[in-house]
This record gives sequence, structure tokens and C-alpha cells, in this order.
Amino acid sequence: GAVVSQHPSWVICKSGTSVKIECRSLDFQATTMFWYRQFPKQSLMLMATSNEGSKATYEQGVEKDKFLINHASLTLSTLTVTSAHPEDSSFYICSARDPASLNTEAFFGQGTRLTVV
Amino acid sequence: AQSVTQLGSHVSVSEGALVLLRCNYSSSVPPYLFWYVQYPNQGLQLLLKYTSAATLVKGINGFEAEFKKSETSFHLTKPSAHMSDAAEYFCAVSSGNTPLVFGKGTRLSVIA
Repeated sequence: GAVVSQHPSWVICKSGTSVKIECRSLDFQATTMFWYRQFPKQSLMLMATSNEGSKATYEQGVEKDKFLINHASLTLSTLTVTSAHPEDSSFYICSARDPASLNTEAFFGQGTRLTVV
Repeated sequence: AQSVTQLGSHVSVSEGALVLLRCNYSSSVPPYLFWYVQYPNQGLQLLLKYTSAATLVKGINGFEAEFKKSETSFHLTKPSAHMSDAAEYFCAVSSGNTPLVFGKGTRLSVIA
């Protein structure tokens, strides 16, 4: 199956700093990628849909100025958590669809554990 | 709008016993349905998917699920649980090109 690589797998940062998370589709071109956030022992909550070459579409309640998404190429989307605070600590997961699978199956990255201290 | 309800946040079975994880969905259009498994601090791995072909879907690791439109269900089963099956399982729905909508997850424990 298609591979989605997410980096870093874990990061610790100080309050007030920014953190960038990368999501790459390694063997296919993803025009659309999705960013999810997962709190401990909870489900995945969609944060935004990242569209190559255009602005991301954010879900209600997600601060677009805090969670900056850039999808500059067909294989890379980035999520930047700006001015991070402890409440931003979470598990962030990206996913992408492979057009060859008729857009039904989503492949997921390994996730990034963000801890803000 | 689409939604998924997973009945039971935690299911515990004995090794070798039947695994049954329940999922009911709501969708105004023909749904695509998925089961994913997540191990601690990892991403999601697809177990199986229903995309309007056969209603009984076989996946990896001996899991299978049956799509029942009349019951709006897509329950996940495995005849014989293995210790390595202990993980978090998520049911998800989409309408094709839309983002996946996930259920709250069911944690499966396997007792030796």
C-alpha cells in the first residue's frame, strides 16, 4: 500500500515557541491531505483539510492562525503549531489519499507526539 | 452529515475467544466504511474497508466485517483472539472523497 511518512515522531518544545510537523506521501501524489488531533484515549478529531496549492480548510473551532497548514507540493504538507502552549500537547496525525485507490482509502502517518513544557 | 457510533469503549476477551467490535454508522449517501487499528503512540493501520462491493469484507490478521445496510452496521469480528490483537480499534465512514469521520474507538484487551 501507499506510504505516508510523518516527521518528527515526537517533539518537546517550550511554551511560546513554534513547531513544524511534516507529512509526506512517499510513493504517490496526494492532492489532499488531512490533519487530525488525538487526545489521550480519545478518537481522532479532524483539524483541517490541506489542499495542494490552495488554502487549507479548517474545521469549526480550529484556530487557523495557530495551526498553520501549508501544502506546497503534491507530496508534502506541513502543520506548524505557532506559539505553542501546554494545552496544545497532543498526538497529531496526518493522512492522505492515493488517487489510485479511487479516493476511498486514507493512509496515515505514524503520528507526532507534541509535548509543550 | 456522517457519523459513527462504536458500542463499548473497552472490550475484553480471552485468548482464543471470538472478537466482536460493534460499529453503527449514519450516512445520507452510500457510505465507505473502514476499520483501523492503532497501537500505542503509532498511526493507524487499515484492517479492512467496505466500498460497495461484497458486503462481507475480509481484512488482515484474520479480521472480517459485514456491511448490513438494514441495520446500518459494520461490526468487526475475528474468530480467535490473539494476544497481539490488543490495541485500539476505530471504525470510520466517508462518502468517497470526504475526510474520514471516526468513531470514539474501542480498546480491545486480550486475556491470557
